[in-house]
Amino acid sequence: GAVVSQHPSRVICKSGTSVKIECRSLDFQATTMFWYRQFPKQSLMLMATSNEGSKATYEQGVEKDKFLINHASLTLSTLTVTSAHPEDSSFYICSAGGLRVYGYTFGSGTRLTVV
Amino acid sequence: DAKTTQPPSMDCAEGRAANLPCNHSTISGNEYVYWYRQIHSQGPQYIIHGLKNNETNEMASLIITEDRKSSTLILPHATLRDTAVYYCIVVGSGGGADGLTFGKGTHLIIQP
Repeated sequence: GAVVSQHPSRVICKSGTSVKIECRSLDFQATTMFWYRQFPKQSLMLMATSNEGSKATYEQGVEKDKFLINHASLTLSTLTVTSAHPEDSSFYICSAGGLRVYGYTFGSGTRLTVV
Repeated sequence: DAKTTQPPSMDCAEGRAANLPCNHSTISGNEYVYWYRQIHSQGPQYIIHGLKNNETNEMASLIITEDRKSSTLILPHATLRDTAVYYCIVVGSGGGADGLTFGKGTHLIIQP
């Protein structure tokens, strides 16, 4: 089946630094990938949609200059959290969209802790 | 996409069938019903989806009412590993252009 690989699974960084999260589609080409954020005891919230070769579109309230998304190839999308602050600590999850047989396939998530 | 309503939590005994309801009364004719689950600190896992016919796969069965305003996910023989948050999501047929809108889901707890 369709597999989306997400790395790292967890990361701890200092305030003010940047962190990059990678999301790869292993056995298919993903023209569209989605990035979600999940705070403790809450549901997933869509942050942005990235399309290969074009600029990402961000949901209302998500700072595009803080959460940089790059989707340079059909198998790789990256999310960079710039100048991270403790309030950015969350569970970040990517997803490849529109796979009719398997539904939308999700990565395993990245637990970001900013100290 | 149509909104869904699910009970916040349910308990089920191990080995019994777990029946998880979902209301989606505003669903439109070209929208699918998808079910995902999320085990703690993992990404959501696809379970099953359907349009109007009942569906079954190796994980679960999906029963959709004739008017399509509600559905039930059935885990036929629940195990402790089925403890998770289950999300019922209505998805348009737009080919994957939009992300998914997650509600609060149902926290299913399988009791030994």
